[in-house]
Amino acid sequence: GAVVSQHPSWVICKSGTSVKIECRSLDFQATTMFWYRQFPKQSLMLMATSNEGSKATYEQGVEKDKFLINHASLTLSTLTVTSAHPEDSSFYICSASLGSNYNEQFFGPGTRLTVL
Amino acid sequence: DAKTTQPTSMDCAEGRAANLPCNHSTISGNEYVYWYRQIHSQGPQYIIHGLKNNETNEMASLIITEDRKSSTLILPHATLRDTAVYYCIVRSHNTDKLIFGTGTRLQVFP
Repeated sequence: GAVVSQHPSWVICKSGTSVKIECRSLDFQATTMFWYRQFPKQSLMLMATSNEGSKATYEQGVEKDKFLINHASLTLSTLTVTSAHPEDSSFYICSASLGSNYNEQFFGPGTRLTVL
Repeated sequence: DAKTTQPTSMDCAEGRAANLPCNHSTISGNEYVYWYRQIHSQGPQYIIHGLKNNETNEMASLIITEDRKSSTLILPHATLRDTAVYYCIVRSHNTDKLIFGTGTRLQVFP
């Protein structure tokens, strides 16, 4: 099956700093990538949809200036949490698809962010 | 997107079949039913999907009622490694987005 990786797997940072999380599709080209956030004991919440070469589409209530998404190539999307605060501590998960309707999404292993 | 309703939690004895129900009474005619699972602290894993016919793969079987208002995911011989949160998702016909509900926490016990 298709493999999606994330880096780093976990990160601890100080409040006010920015953190970049990478999402890579290792053996396929992903036209579309998605970013989710998951708080403890809660479900995944879709943050944004990222299409290669265009601006990301953010879900309602997600601040685009705080969560910067770049999808510069068909195998890499990045999520930058700017000026992180403790309430941004969460499990961030990306997924990738080939882009056509009804294709399955392949999920990365997630990145656990802790902001002190 | 159609919403889904799943029981919060279920238990299953190892070696027995696990039957996980899902209600999706407002599903549209061209919306598929997808099942994913998430083992603790990992990314979700695709299990199976279907439109109206029953489906089977190496992981599970998906039974969809004739009116498509509900479905059941069947793990024929549950193992301890099947302990996870199982999400039933109805996928929008015009986007690639997956909207996760609360899922069912399946605990397989020895």
